[in-house]
Amino acid sequence: SQELEQSPQSLIVQEGKNLTINCTSSKTLYGLYWYKQKYGEGLIFLMMLQKGGEEKSHEKITAKLDEKKQQSSLHITASQPSHAGIYLCGAAGGYNKLIFGAGTRLAVHP
Amino acid sequence: GAGVSQTPSNKVTEKGKYVELRCDPISGHTALYWYRQSLGQGPEFLIYFQGTGAADDSGLPNDRFFAVRPEGSVSTLKIQRTERGDSAVYLCASSLTAPVNEQFFGPGTRLTVL
Repeated sequence: SQELEQSPQSLIVQEGKNLTINCTSSKTLYGLYWYKQKYGEGLIFLMMLQKGGEEKSHEKITAKLDEKKQQSSLHITASQPSHAGIYLCGAAGGYNKLIFGAGTRLAVHP
Repeated sequence: GAGVSQTPSNKVTEKGKYVELRCDPISGHTALYWYRQSLGQGPEFLIYFQGTGAADDSGLPNDRFFAVRPEGSVSTLKIQRTERGDSAVYLCASSLTAPVNEQFFGPGTRLTVL
């Protein structure tokens, strides 16, 4: 079965700093989803990547999919306290479900 | 709001009791998913509905867990003879169709089994 490993598990940064979160799959990625979760809330969809080499950006968040390496990275530029939360990567685990990594917990200190 | 809603938001029960968790998907979404998230982990797939039928229930941990979606909209996850290990956040998601595309998640139901 497919597994996703996220690194780092947790991250504390100063406001304004850049950061990167990685997601590595045990199998070839055919679709990779990034979600953000705040404590006690559901998952908020950020981006979906499907093609090798694809890169998408939304505001200060950029995600890339490197299909050859079975990896995706999420990069945040000039982090803000509003970026704090848990970032989850999910892979299409078949026709109908997502398989998630354990998440990366991000704290941004003013 | 037109998002996915789940009730109750919190449920505390005693070991051995029966519980029902409800999910109201986004109107018009034919695909509905249930996931379970334990503390410090990512969501784990439980079951997927396409319309009224459970198309994939491979993630249900055992026969104490059952889910229905009788009219193709609202879904109920039912847990019999609850155990302390069932304590988790149960998340519901819906999407327009399958195959997998953007899934919209509800806020979850936090289940605590004492």
